[in-house]
Amino acid sequence: GQNIDQPTEMTATEGAIVQINCTYQTSGFNGLFWYQQHAGEAPTFLSYNVLDGLEEKGRFSSFLSRSKGYSYLLLKELQMKDSASYLCAFMDSNYQLIWGAGTKLIIKP
Amino acid sequence: GAVVSQHPSRVICKSGTSVKIECRSLDFQATTMFWYRQFPKQSLMLMATSNEGSKATYEQGVEKDKFLINHASLTLSTLTVTSAHPEDSSFYICSARVGDTEAFFGQGTRLTVV
Repeated sequence: GQNIDQPTEMTATEGAIVQINCTYQTSGFNGLFWYQQHAGEAPTFLSYNVLDGLEEKGRFSSFLSRSKGYSYLLLKELQMKDSASYLCAFMDSNYQLIWGAGTKLIIKP
Repeated sequence: GAVVSQHPSRVICKSGTSVKIECRSLDFQATTMFWYRQFPKQSLMLMATSNEGSKATYEQGVEKDKFLINHASLTLSTLTVTSAHPEDSSFYICSARVGDTEAFFGQGTRLTVV
């Protein structure tokens, strides 16, 4: 079967670093995505990993381990505007996106 | 990145009426468009997948006669919520994809049925 899991909620401090984990199980895999979603808005694309390793893009980095079915999104130098939900999703063998429930990130001053 | 325009962003309608939501890919041709609904504090729920010129494929539990999807061209898909009821109130989001690339999302439509 297929499933994907991420923490429901996390809290971090402005200026700090936070890592949001995502684990998944699937027989067919065509990449893992991270999206940011502010309340009341549609998701916006953050990153895509299809090979193992770390992809860095400014303050955000995403890591993938295909053998472990594991990914994380790393946010550095947190800003108040980073308060949002972060959705991970993998693309299965049919190129359909399977979504996690999202992690609500709360940033405190 | 590619732009997907969804309209309207908010709509309030009376129970029993129908509402049409448009999703347009502005600067690319989308071979596949997806329609999602999202309840508060919940993840995206895929409703249906549509390919240009063919009938939409609906997910289990989604009434195809209630949620009419038309994908008339490579840049436009519409979702019509027919005979809307208060329980249809939700956030509806479309996304478009070219081939196997990432999905680009529209801005979403907040539907409130009163």
